[in-house]
Amino acid sequence: AQKITQTQPGMFVQEKEAVTLDCTYDTSDPSYGLFWYKQPSSGEMIFLIYQGSYDQQNATEGRYSLNFQKARKSANLVISASQLGDSAMYFCAMRAFGNEKLTFGTGTRLTIIP
Amino acid sequence: SAVISQKPSRDICQRGTSLTIQCQVDSQVTMMFWYRQQPGQSLTLIATANQGSEATYESGFVIDKFPISRPNLTFSTLTVSNMSPEDSSIYLCSVEWTVNSYEQYFGPGTRLTVT
Repeated sequence: AQKITQTQPGMFVQEKEAVTLDCTYDTSDPSYGLFWYKQPSSGEMIFLIYQGSYDQQNATEGRYSLNFQKARKSANLVISASQLGDSAMYFCAMRAFGNEKLTFGTGTRLTIIP
Repeated sequence: SAVISQKPSRDICQRGTSLTIQCQVDSQVTMMFWYRQQPGQSLTLIATANQGSEATYESGFVIDKFPISRPNLTFSTLTVSNMSPEDSSIYLCSVEWTVNSYEQYFGPGTRLTVT
């Protein structure tokens, strides 16, 4: 069984500052993938970034980076130079390789303050 | 990445009726998934739909309540049957995009309200 924990229900961050959203996970599977999604108020789920458990380097996609610490079972999302459009719910998710099911955390609501 | 569309984008339905949600992908994909997001909650997988086979349902979801069709590699439907107010949710389809990794992309969702 897999479990994702997001301990920050809500965060307020000043525009242009960097923000870190926490995610810890628990799994007994040796191979897995970790994901971050953004959900604006419109409801769509926007894929942000992916990290494989055997990837040597932390994943980066533009202003998004994933701080992957395998020994600590954490996969924090870092957003650099935050923008007003970053205000949304953010979900961390994982899946084991060989199992297509995504397990989601409870999400963090990020609000960017001008 | 795949471009995914869903119809309808939202609907208000009366209890006891059924609604069929369509999911269309612009590329052929093997795996399609249906998720439910109840108000203020996270996403829960309803079922996995592979072309040419019966959908695989997660615990707590049954085919009589959520029948799924997958007639080809670019299309799937989810029906919410005999609806009650507890079915009010966002329903999202997703596809697995294995070109680069195991990324899953989501459609825009269908916001369902049952009165």
